[in-house]
Amino acid sequence: GESVGLHLPTLSVQEGDNSIINCAYSNSASDYFIWYKQESGKGPQFIIDIRSNMDKRQGQRVTVLLNKTVKHLSLQIAATQPGDSAVYFCADAYNQGGKLIFGQGTELSVKP
Amino acid sequence: DGGITQSPKYLFRKEGQNVTLSCEQNLNHDAMYWYRQDPGQGLRLIYYSQIVNDFQKGDIAEGYSVSREKKESFPLTVTSAQKNPTAFYLCASSILPGGRAKNIQYFGAGTRLSVL
Repeated sequence: GESVGLHLPTLSVQEGDNSIINCAYSNSASDYFIWYKQESGKGPQFIIDIRSNMDKRQGQRVTVLLNKTVKHLSLQIAATQPGDSAVYFCADAYNQGGKLIFGQGTELSVKP
Repeated sequence: DGGITQSPKYLFRKEGQNVTLSCEQNLNHDAMYWYRQDPGQGLRLIYYSQIVNDFQKGDIAEGYSVSREKKESFPLTVTSAQKNPTAFYLCASSILPGGRAKNIQYFGAGTRLSVL
């Protein structure tokens, strides 16, 4: 079946540096992806999404890149802050009755 | 204040006991979902519902049951048949998926279930 995987379970960065979190997916037909941020003990929060007709989408301090050729997407966080410390999930939102396929998550730690 | 409310925040289950987790949303969303999250893991879908009085099994439905009698409510019962219920349970809702609609799911704060 389809799957979504993250390249690294943990990532540690210095405050002020840029962070890059990677995600791979298996379904070539997938056309819509969502990134979520989950702080400890809380539910996931929507960060940004991207459709497959785009290669790049920017939000506030975040950018998502999509490479359909190699079925890979990444979330870039500029000038990482302590408040960015959380687990980040990518989700394949290809329309299969509304089901999302989540990756395992990458835990981002920001060192002061 | 719109959103998804899950209760209780913490819940303890005794052996052989059924427990029910509450999920209420005031976002006027048609679709609702229940996920289970184990430590260090991603989210796994238990059940989902796209319309009142209808629901479908997700990937790990065994030992769980749901009902959808009202659009805003989607309670999850963890039955005694679920032998390893300790986990973090998350409820989500979205607009009805289909066509070009963006299936962004919005999550509640979760219920942490432990076995006594």
